[in-house]
Amino acid sequence: EDKVVQSPLSLVVHEGDTVTLNCSYEVTNFRSLLWYKQEKKAPTFLFMLTSSGIEKKSGRLSSILDKKELFSILNITATQTGDSAVYLCGAGGTSYGKLTFGQGTILTVHP
Amino acid sequence: NAGVTQTPKFRVLKTGQSMTLLCAQDMNHEYMYWYRQDPGMGLRLIHYSVGEGTTAKGEVPDGYNVSRLKKQNFLLGLESAAPSQTSVYFCASRPGVSNQPQHFGDGTRLSIL
Repeated sequence: EDKVVQSPLSLVVHEGDTVTLNCSYEVTNFRSLLWYKQEKKAPTFLFMLTSSGIEKKSGRLSSILDKKELFSILNITATQTGDSAVYLCGAGGTSYGKLTFGQGTILTVHP
Repeated sequence: NAGVTQTPKFRVLKTGQSMTLLCAQDMNHEYMYWYRQDPGMGLRLIHYSVGEGTTAKGEVPDGYNVSRLKKQNFLLGLESAAPSQTSVYFCASRPGVSNQPQHFGDGTRLSIL
């Protein structure tokens, strides 16, 4: 059975702090790991990672995958209140793009 | 560009009632998925479809049925609603080619009394 575990489950920081969110996975025939940000409604796509050691970056957010140790991290630097959200990690194998999601990390950024 | 649209947005049902949730996508995506999201449990896959006329079970399919009569629509049915099915339901779609992200709708909040 595929499994994805995120940590921490919740995190409270102040604006300007840097945070690291963790995602470990056990997925048969692993193909990709995706990060999503969920505010009030639909999860919105952040990154897709398929290769080890290649950092994906978008503004203050970055992510990297370690296929040997089966984990990924999502870094957010200089956090802002608008970064407050649930961050979801999903991992998938070769079967029709199905993803197994972790529990999510609730990030709260205080002014 | 509407993307993935779910209707209704909210619904309250009584135990034993039936209802259908509709998901429509305008991106010509092959694959579509239904998830439920409960506190502390992330997103769990209920059913999915890899093309018009096809459906398959996900992780938590019991108590639900689905149909995909048209490529753009994916329906989720509850034949006899139970309080344990109180949840937020999300639909997603993606292209059939490799390594593409899923795109999500805004969700349907369903309460069963």
